[in-house]
Amino acid sequence: LAKTTQPISMDSYEGQEVNITCSHNNIATNDYITWYQQFPSQGPRFIIQGYKTKVTNEVASLFIPADRKSSTLSLPRVSLSDTAVYYCLVGGPSYNTDKLIFGTGTRLQVFP
Amino acid sequence: DTAVSQTPKYLVTQMGNDKSIKCEQNLGHDTMYWYKQDSKKFLKIMFSYNNKELIINETVPNRFSPKSPDKAHLNLHINSLELGDSAVYFCASSQGTPGNTIYFGEGSWLTVV
Repeated sequence: LAKTTQPISMDSYEGQEVNITCSHNNIATNDYITWYQQFPSQGPRFIIQGYKTKVTNEVASLFIPADRKSSTLSLPRVSLSDTAVYYCLVGGPSYNTDKLIFGTGTRLQVFP
Repeated sequence: DTAVSQTPKYLVTQMGNDKSIKCEQNLGHDTMYWYKQDSKKFLKIMFSYNNKELIINETVPNRFSPKSPDKAHLNLHINSLELGDSAVYFCASSQGTPGNTIYFGEGSWLTVV
C-alpha cells in the first residue's frame, strides 16, 4: 500500500517557524497532497492542499519538490494554539484504500 | 451550522450490547466515510460510501454494519460490542474522491466496559 511517512513528534517555541516533512514515494500522477490538523477531542480539519511547487494560504505554506515524493508543511511563527497532530494525506481521483490512510501524523508541541 | 455531525458524542456501554452511531452531513457531498481512531491515535478507514453505495469495506469485523439511507447520512451499527471496540469513531465526507478535502465530524467516543 502506498503510505506516507512523517516524524512522530516535534517540539517548538512560540514565534518560531515549524517545518514538517512528509514522504510519499508512491505518489501517483493524479494525486494531490493534503495536510490536516487535529486538536485533542476533535476531528481532523483541512489546512492546505497542493499538487506541485508552492502553495500558501492564511494559515500555512506547502512546499512540494519537482519529484513530488515529499512535501513540507511550513507554519510561520507558531503559537501555543498550534499544538496539535498534523497529518499528510495523498489522494486523487480514485477510491483506493491506500489513498485514505492517514498514518500516525506528527505531534507538534509548542512551548511558551 | 455543523457541516458533519455525529451522535452520540460519548457512549459507554457493556460488552455484548448493540449500539448505533448516527452521522449527517449538510455539505451536499456524495461520499461519506467512517474512520476509527484507537488509543495510539492511528486513523484507520473502515467504510466509504459514494451515492449510498458501499465502495470501500476494509478488514472490519462483520459486527460492524454501515447503513446509508441517503447521500447525507451514514450510520454505523455495531453488534455484540467487545472491549477492543473502544475507540473514537469519526464520520467524514467529501465531494467525490479523497483527492478532494475530507470534512470530519467531531467524533464519537465509544467505551465498552
